[in-house]
Amino acid sequence: GQNIDQPTEMTATEGAIVQINCTYQTSGFNGLFWYQQHAGEAPTFLSYNVLDGLEEKGRFSSFLSRSKGYSYLLLKELQMKDSASYLCAVINRGSTLGRLYFGRGTQLTVWP
Amino acid sequence: GAGVSQSPSNKVTEKGKDVELRCDPISGHTALYWYRQRLGQGLEFLIYFQGNSAPDKSGLPSDRFSAERTGESVSTLTIQRTQQEDSAVYLCASSSLLEENQPQHFGDGTRLSIL
Repeated sequence: GQNIDQPTEMTATEGAIVQINCTYQTSGFNGLFWYQQHAGEAPTFLSYNVLDGLEEKGRFSSFLSRSKGYSYLLLKELQMKDSASYLCAVINRGSTLGRLYFGRGTQLTVWP
Repeated sequence: GAGVSQSPSNKVTEKGKDVELRCDPISGHTALYWYRQRLGQGLEFLIYFQGNSAPDKSGLPSDRFSAERTGESVSTLTIQRTQQEDSAVYLCASSSLLEENQPQHFGDGTRLSIL
């Protein structure tokens, strides 16, 4: 089976940096996604990692260590609009092509 | 529109009634997924369609749940004899094998409340 863990809640202040961790235990890992979901809205794609290392996209970066079953999403220069739930999801080689297994999400609150 | 469209956006119904939820994927996307999201929970996979292949129904929680899709167009998710535990947001997503990393594009969901 799949086991994906991420913190339930985090808080940070505007302008700060926050790191949201995700650990996973899964058979046949084939990639990890991060999605952002504002309350009452659809999840939107942020990043995808399949190889070890850091992928940077503007204020957001995502890191993956396959040997440790670990990823993090790094958000820099936080803005109020970054308050949202951040979802970690993995794909397995052995599963349906494209089927994602999601963590419960980390609710990030950014304070002024 | 350019995104995934779901209807209705909200549905309130009495326990025991049947409901039908609709998803209109992005044009040209061959893959379509249904997920369920209970309050404070992650997304739970329900069913997956890929082109004309047989769907992966392994996530459907009971035989009260079924879904249809004709070709690469609209999909409907039907829940028969609804129960209060079915209350959740039902999200639909579509993706294209031709898009880099093949991210799933989500609709805004249908918020289902069973009284």
